[in-house]
Amino acid sequence: QKEVEQNSGPLSVPEGAIASLNCTYSDRGSQSFFWYRQYSGKSPELIMSIYSNGDKEDGRFTAQLNKASQYVSLLIRDSQPSDSATYLCASSPPSSASKIIFGSGTRLSIRP
Amino acid sequence: DGGITQSPKYLFRKEGQNVTLSCEQNLNHDAMYWYRQDPGQGLRLIYYSQIVNDFQKGDIAEGYSVSREKKESFPLTVTSAQKNPTAFYLCASSIGLNEKLFFGSGTQLSVL
Repeated sequence: QKEVEQNSGPLSVPEGAIASLNCTYSDRGSQSFFWYRQYSGKSPELIMSIYSNGDKEDGRFTAQLNKASQYVSLLIRDSQPSDSATYLCASSPPSSASKIIFGSGTRLSIRP
Repeated sequence: DGGITQSPKYLFRKEGQNVTLSCEQNLNHDAMYWYRQDPGQGLRLIYYSQIVNDFQKGDIAEGYSVSREKKESFPLTVTSAQKNPTAFYLCASSIGLNEKLFFGSGTQLSVL
């Protein structure tokens, strides 16, 4: 079992709709979670970090963490074509000696 | 401007050749990392360093070497022992382990 799992997609969402990206993790002791956006051929950039249960909002982005169910999600409201990218979920499980572990990413496509 | 600089952007390696990828940061971060990304895949950790003159192997260290003689610099050498070096290489830094990562722009390495 991978430590961080994501559906590879592609996930296709109409412009203006809500895009929902999901991620599960295997180490129940994980405390830190991150969402990165990566455009093709570019490096990842941090969108959100979340450390406690519940929702965290930043503009059109909302990160949700549920430690009991071991999942973290990213919601993108009012999706724009510029949101089309691969979204990487990452966590820092204690079993990894505090190294950050990445999922394989979900490719998101916003259709006009 | 503070940031992480990777060079070169593109690099070609001949069989049997060692090549070195440069990574410099002026963010005053203690921790630095090297990741490898293959097409359609997530990031896999090659090496990381918490402090100067200390570094640890990641998940795929075989065929690679690093040094950390200065806080700002963390070069990666891809040796001839790495038989499948073609990939996108990303350098990152963070204030400390378990903290959010900031990435350089990446180096695309290809084999001639």
